Amino acid sequence: GNSVTQMEGPVTLSEEAFLTINCTYTATGYPSLFWYVQYPGEGLQLLLKATKADDKGSNKGFEATYRKETTSFHLEKGSVQVSDSAVYFCALSADRYSGGGADGLTFGKGTHLIIQP
Amino acid sequence: EAGVVQSPRYKIIEKKQPVAFWCNPISGHNTLYWYLQNLGQGPELLIRYENEEAVDDSQLPKDRFSAERLKGVDSTLKIQPAELGDSAVYLCASSAARGLVGEQFFGPGTRLTVL
Repeated sequence: GNSVTQMEGPVTLSEEAFLTINCTYTATGYPSLFWYVQYPGEGLQLLLKATKADDKGSNKGFEATYRKETTSFHLEKGSVQVSDSAVYFCALSADRYSGGGADGLTFGKGTHLIIQP
Repeated sequence: EAGVVQSPRYKIIEKKQPVAFWCNPISGHNTLYWYLQNLGQGPELLIRYENEEAVDDSQLPKDRFSAERLKGVDSTLKIQPAELGDSAVYLCASSAARGLVGEQFFGPGTRLTVL
């Protein structure tokens, strides 16, 4: 079956540091990949996505590149801010060519990011 | 545009009691999902609806869980009877995508505590 593995947290960084959160996946077919973010007290929000190999998703200074050869979708940001403190979830959706509509997402366990001023 | 609405936000019940959660998706979204999120874990899909049809309920524990989406809009998820291990956050999401993957929009969740 499908699965997502992401680095364990919490990850604690100083403001303006470089961020990488690793994510690898196992899937049959050709999945779409996502990063969702959950800020304290709020619901899950889509941060970025990529639907085919070598696609780069980006939003709010965050980037992630779909690497089919390494089955990875690592999240990066060049300079983090205190406001980036949140829980980040890597997720995948099954084969985009399944034709079955928007399948449910398979999530990783989440990585709690703490940015200190 | 209103987001996904869920109620109640919090629920505390005794074990063996029934409980129900309600979800109103974003207007026009045909696909609706219920997820379960345990503490420190990512959400896990329970059931997916396309309009009023449950197209994927393979992860729904059918001995005590049930769901419905009458008229293809609002949805209700029920647990009867609740067990201690059901304490978790129940998330509802909706999507407008058909055929290709689109963004899922999540509600704030219902936090269930079973005593």
